[in-house]
This record gives sequence, structure tokens and C-alpha cells, in this order.
Amino acid sequence: AQSVAQPEDQVNVAEGNPLTVKCTYSVSGNPYLFWYVQYPNRGLQFLLKYITGDNLVKGSYGFEAEFNKSQTSFHLKKPSALVSDSALYFCAVRDNTGKLIFGQGTTLQVKP
Amino acid sequence: IAGITQAPTSQILAAGRRMTLRCTQDMRHNAMYWYRQDLGLGLRLIHYSNTAGTTGKGEVPDGYSVSRANTDDFPLTLASAVPSQTSVYFCASSIGARDTQYFGPGTRLTVL
Repeated sequence: AQSVAQPEDQVNVAEGNPLTVKCTYSVSGNPYLFWYVQYPNRGLQFLLKYITGDNLVKGSYGFEAEFNKSQTSFHLKKPSALVSDSALYFCAVRDNTGKLIFGQGTTLQVKP
Repeated sequence: IAGITQAPTSQILAAGRRMTLRCTQDMRHNAMYWYRQDLGLGLRLIHYSNTAGTTGKGEVPDGYSVSRANTDDFPLTLASAVPSQTSVYFCASSIGARDTQYFGPGTRLTVL
């Protein structure tokens, strides 16, 4: 069965430092992977996706994610964190029927 | 362009009452979805519709029903609300069933 794991409930980083939010997946066949961000009291916003091709995917707001097939990971990264990046981040994988399976979410806290 | 709108924004409901959450999109997307978001569980799919006139069950469909009479609207009905249905509900849509999903702002529902 397809699944997604976000091993960290919360990630704390200082403003200006690089950030990483971790995601691992389990899927049969080729993975289709997504990252979404949720700001307080808002809906989810699409950040980026991996379908095929280059393992480094660039997305909105300076975020990028690295697909690693051997480690079954799709970690979200940003070279220099902003306080405004503080939010809840969700990793998701598309299953064989096209439905999204979400991880439990990781809260990113960027401190000034 | 409004994208996806949901109504109401929030609602407090007595157990046993019937409630319909509304979702409308103006992007002419074929596929629409309903999710519930609960702390520590991420988002779970309740029902989906790949195209107008068709619906399907997601991961947690019990106690909920949907209809898709046209492309734009995808209402979610709780026939007899129970406290375990207290949650934040998100509607989403995508061009096709395997395309990127875009989310509405959510409805916060409390069942007492």
C-alpha cells in the first residue's frame, strides 16, 4: 500500500539558515510526489511536484525538493529560511488510482 | 478569478442535525475532492468526483455523502452529524484525476 511519512512533527530553524523538511514514501511503481504548505487558518497551497526527470525540483517561494529513489525520500529544502516560511508543510504521494495520500504534516518554525 | 470557494467558513452544529458544506470552483476542473484535516492525521480523502455525474468513496466516507450535478459544484452532506465529525473540511479540484490538486480555504465544523 502507498504511504507517506514525515518523521518530524516540528522543525525549528533560525532565519537565514538552510531548512530541510523530511519526507519518505512507499509506493508501487513510479512515484508522483507533492509538497503543499498551509498557513494558519488557510487552505493548502501547492509548492512543487516530482513526476519524472531531474531529481531536483524547484517550486514556489524559493523552495526545492530532492527526489532520491534509493532512499525513497523527497525532502523539501530552502537555502535561506524566512520568518514568513513558518507554516505547516505536507508531503503527498499519488496512488495508483490518482488519489493523493498525505503525510501527517510538519510544522516549520523559523525564528528571527 | 475566485478559484475554489467554500461555505460556510465555520459552523457549530448540534449532534444529529443535517449539514451541507458547499464547494464551488470556477476553473472548469473536471475532478473534485473532499478531505478532512485532523491533528496528527494529515488530510484524509472522504469522497471524490472525477467528472460531473460521477462520485467515488475515499478513505473515510462513512457518515458523508456527495453529489456532482454539474462541473462547478460539489456539496458534502452530513446526514446526521456526530461529534467525531468535528474537523476542518477542505474541498479541492484538479483538471483531471491525475493532475495537481488545488484547495479551497476550508470549513471548520464543530459538532456538539
